[in-house]
This record gives sequence, structure tokens and C-alpha cells, in this order.
Amino acid sequence: AQKITQTQPGMFVQEKEAVTLDCTYDTSDQSYGLFWYKQPSSGEMIFLIYQGSYDEQNATEGRYSLNFQKARKSANLVISASQLGDSAMYFCAMREGPGTGRRALTFGSGTRLQVQP
Amino acid sequence: DAGVTQSPTHLIKTRGQHVTLRCSPISGHKSVSWYQQVLGQGPQFIFQYYEKEERGRGNFPDRFSARQFPNYSSELNVNALLLGDSALYLCASSSRGTERDTQYFGPGTRLTVL
Repeated sequence: AQKITQTQPGMFVQEKEAVTLDCTYDTSDQSYGLFWYKQPSSGEMIFLIYQGSYDEQNATEGRYSLNFQKARKSANLVISASQLGDSAMYFCAMREGPGTGRRALTFGSGTRLQVQP
Repeated sequence: DAGVTQSPTHLIKTRGQHVTLRCSPISGHKSVSWYQQVLGQGPQFIFQYYEKEERGRGNFPDRFSARQFPNYSSELNVNALLLGDSALYLCASSSRGTERDTQYFGPGTRLTVL
């Protein structure tokens, strides 16, 4: 079974509108971290936002917020007021706890977001 | 402060050759991880090092090896290159390597195997 599932290969959004990128995950660990990264065409993975499994509040970082629904195992990224520079690939990733024996990031397949003027 | 740096930026090799990729973590970070990203896919975990010891290895053949030096920089070595090794190789650093630690990525090394 896939650990991280991103069901939207591509998304379009109008400039200045909000967009939600979906992510569901699968783990039996109680302690884990969920991350979103942005990858422009240049290739560098840019960290956007983090949510810990024990965090009660949804994480926010500027225009980025994470809609964390633990019971549904979902961690959707919300980008408010989209900008042209937001056009990129977006990856959801999970880092499981010590029970797995390692702490590597497991990535989803990504969502390509295109912001239209 | 400087971010994660990787060298070289691009590399072209032929099948059967050997390649060494280098990574310098963010100052103060003791954990380095390597990922392979094939075109159109998410990154796949190769190795993680913390305090110069291997903490984890992904599902990659023994042709792949790595090490971490006393200054926490790291090298990824790939022997007997195959066409399928063509990918973007990403290095990431974090302070402690725990599940709550954010990994910060370098710009990557784009390897082409002909």
C-alpha cells in the first residue's frame, strides 16, 4: 500500500484565488511528521510547512496552511491568494517515528499546480 | 547562513562508470540524507547518516554507497552506472534526524548516464 497518496496529478487555479492540494497517508506509527515541499522547474525542493502528529492546531506559514484531519489520515495543503510564482510541483511527504527504524521522508507522486493570470 | 550545497550541478557519465556526488549540510546540522528523483516521480530515499553513522538505507542495490565525514559533509558513490541511474540526486540535511525534524534540501545533482 502506498504510504502517501496525492490524487491530483495537475491543478489549475486563477491568480489571487485559493487552492487545496490533497494528500492522504498511511502509517501505524503514533508519532510522525507531515511535510509539504514545493519544487519549481529548477529542481530544488523548498520546504513549505510541517505538521506533527501530536499537534492539535493546524499548521500555518504565511499563505500556506495545512488542513490536518488525523482520523481521516489526510493532510491537505491550502494556498491562499495564489501568485504566478506558485506554479510548481508540490509534494506531500511523511516522516515516521523511531518504530520504523529509520526516519526517512516518504514522498507522494506530486501535484503540478499552474496559476493562471 | 548558507543552505545545503551540492556538487557538481550536472554530470554526464557512460554506462559502467563510477560517480561521486558531494553534499555539505547547513551549518550545525548533523544528519544528511540522500534521495533519488527520477523524472516524473517523487524522490526515493537512498541513505541517511547521523553523526557519521548510517541510520537507514532505502531499497537500492549495493552499487550505491555513502559516507559522512567528521565535518558532517557527505558523499554518495554509485558504481557500475546503469541507464536507469539517470536522475536528480538530492541531498537533505536536518539537525537531529528525528521524525519531527525538517529536512532542508540542496539544489541537487542532475546525473545523465549515456
